[in-house]
Amino acid sequence: GQQVMQIPQYQHVQEGEDFTTYCNSSTTLSNIQWYKQRPGGHPVFLIQLVKSGEVKKQKRLTFQFGEAKKNSSLHITATQTTDVGTYFCAGGIYGQNFVFGPGTRLSVLP
Amino acid sequence: SQTIHQWPATLVQPVGSPLSLECTVEGTSNPNLYWYRQAAGRGLQLLFYSVGIGQISSEVPQNLSASRPQDRQFILSSKKLLLSDSGFYLCAWSVVTSNQPQHFGDGTRLSIL
Repeated sequence: GQQVMQIPQYQHVQEGEDFTTYCNSSTTLSNIQWYKQRPGGHPVFLIQLVKSGEVKKQKRLTFQFGEAKKNSSLHITATQTTDVGTYFCAGGIYGQNFVFGPGTRLSVLP
Repeated sequence: SQTIHQWPATLVQPVGSPLSLECTVEGTSNPNLYWYRQAAGRGLQLLFYSVGIGQISSEVPQNLSASRPQDRQFILSSKKLLLSDSGFYLCAWSVVTSNQPQHFGDGTRLSIL
């Protein structure tokens, strides 16, 4: 079945440093979603990418969907303590449920 | 606007006891509904999903069951809890169209003693 992997599993950064998490699927995706889960909270939808090579930005966050639609990345510029949490990607295939990656847990040291 | 309610927030149950977790959605009709389990520090495992009243699909074999007695009500149950059932249970909804964002409830932290 479809598998979605994410690296790294954990990332510790100093406040102000950049951060990137990578998401890879074993199969070609129709779209990909990204979620953020704060410690003790529930996942919150951030964005959805649909087109091959698509790039979307939300303030300091940049999301990219690979040309082959099998990988994606989330890049945060100049991290802040409010960025702390676990970032999940979820790969979608038409007619099937999304498959969530295991997540990347981000710690930001002040 | 749409809201999702999930309760209880925390639950401690002995091994072998029954379980009932409830989730309701307001402000939308005929949503897709989902139950996920998240082990500590881990990802989201889809347990059940439903596309309509009485329609339940199970993703993994387990000790749990789900029911959807009303359009916007989703219930997760067990007759006898196991230690391995501990975890963070999340209910989510999405619009019925394929590949839409999912909106999660606050979750239930279940500890089995």
